[in-house]
Amino acid sequence: DAKTTQPNSMESNEEEPVHLPCNHSTISGTDYIHWYRQLPSQGPEYVIHGLTSNVNNRMASLAIAEDRKSSTLILHRATLRDAAVYYCILRDVRPYGGSQGNLIFGKGTKLSVKP
Amino acid sequence: KAGVTQTPRYLIKTRGQQVTLSCSPISGHRSVSWYQQTPGQGLQFLFEYFSETQRNKGNFPGRFSGRQFSNSRSEMNVSTLELGDSALYLCASSLDSRGRETQYFGPGTRLLVL
Repeated sequence: DAKTTQPNSMESNEEEPVHLPCNHSTISGTDYIHWYRQLPSQGPEYVIHGLTSNVNNRMASLAIAEDRKSSTLILHRATLRDAAVYYCILRDVRPYGGSQGNLIFGKGTKLSVKP
Repeated sequence: KAGVTQTPRYLIKTRGQQVTLSCSPISGHRSVSWYQQTPGQGLQFLFEYFSETQRNKGNFPGRFSGRQFSNSRSEMNVSTLELGDSALYLCASSLDSRGRETQYFGPGTRLLVL
């Protein structure tokens, strides 16, 4: 699986938007971009994923660069509950030769939210 | 639908002992993966089981082993515990073992080795 690069930490104010960047310059055409987050004292949880087009769900939005070498997870209004470590992960979804079932986690970005 | 459950939640053992951790996946999920999380190494993949077969294995010594039962429940075992095995052990389940499936994590078992 291709590698991703994220900032170690970011800070945000409550109720303001947060843009969490991820670089993945070696991404392949069959790699999906997944985001998971881990709240304190909990297991990771799925946030969102996409391939080429921008994606929205109830938790966040995912903006994918046209060349797919970078992406940005957008939390539209950060709350204190969004303080977590956010992981950007690439997953190759080819039925043969693609990613296995496991996730490969990097260090992620630790997001702090100030009241 | 109930989420992934792990038992026990906390465990204290001494060096040289062995430990067995249990994971019950979400109903209908056939793939179970195990991860170890430590402050120094972060989240590292241990192994993955699908339909009672180990499909994939991370880079851990043979002291770490696992199995999956016909009802998809899984156990992992660590023999001859070392201080460095102190960690949060996370279990995740998914519908199958292909790279497209979302993984759902349990709360973890926190193991302390003294």
